Amino acid sequence: DTGVSQNPRHKITKRGQNVTFRCDPISEHNRLYWYRQTLGQGPEFLTYFQNEAQLEKSRLLSDRFSAERPKGSFSTLEIQRTEQGDSAMYLCASSPASGVTDTQYFGPGTRLTVL
Amino acid sequence: AQTVTQSQPEMSVQEAETVTLSCTYDTSESDYYLFWYKQPPSRQMILVIRQEAYKQQNATENRFSVNFQKAAKSFSLKISDSQLGDAAMYFCACQGGSEKLVFGKGTKLTVNP
Repeated sequence: DTGVSQNPRHKITKRGQNVTFRCDPISEHNRLYWYRQTLGQGPEFLTYFQNEAQLEKSRLLSDRFSAERPKGSFSTLEIQRTEQGDSAMYLCASSPASGVTDTQYFGPGTRLTVL
Repeated sequence: AQTVTQSQPEMSVQEAETVTLSCTYDTSESDYYLFWYKQPPSRQMILVIRQEAYKQQNATENRFSVNFQKAAKSFSLKISDSQLGDAAMYFCACQGGSEKLVFGKGTKLTVNP
């Protein structure tokens, strides 16, 4: 069990550029979640996958945001035409989906800075 | 929909003493789960303790315990024998009706030697 990993850990980009983040969940975890955390706030839910199916999306996830989990393993989160308001920590979590409600295990996050 | 409120932005405690972090929540779900997560500086969030709402007994994990008052929708975290390594942001979270966690704004805990 190597834990949830996220890459890159830090990303600095200019407004209007596209960025993509990757999350590798704990092996054999079926559920994968994306959250966004801004300074001084708790994480806010963006979306989650059960295997490769995206089952829930927050209203926070505008059309500029897209997430995929093509083979039910790793996931990518892409932000198109970044805005300064997108600056945040993007957290990924996974859970085994073995019970009614499973503990979510978080990765270290990707910190995005949009200049 | 759930909401979670942490009314203490910051708390401090002396090493070896006990501290209680407050959390209130609101949910329309009959089945839900409550969590406390710890986020050390520049490190990832880890689960401290979880409570199933249908269980009357308060959850405990070593030095960490909760006071779950279902009618009052209160879920406080007690840390006994505080250690320097307990210094972190603590987030209360609720999960019910869907897979997403709804977090409070967090409480920054400082442990003084």
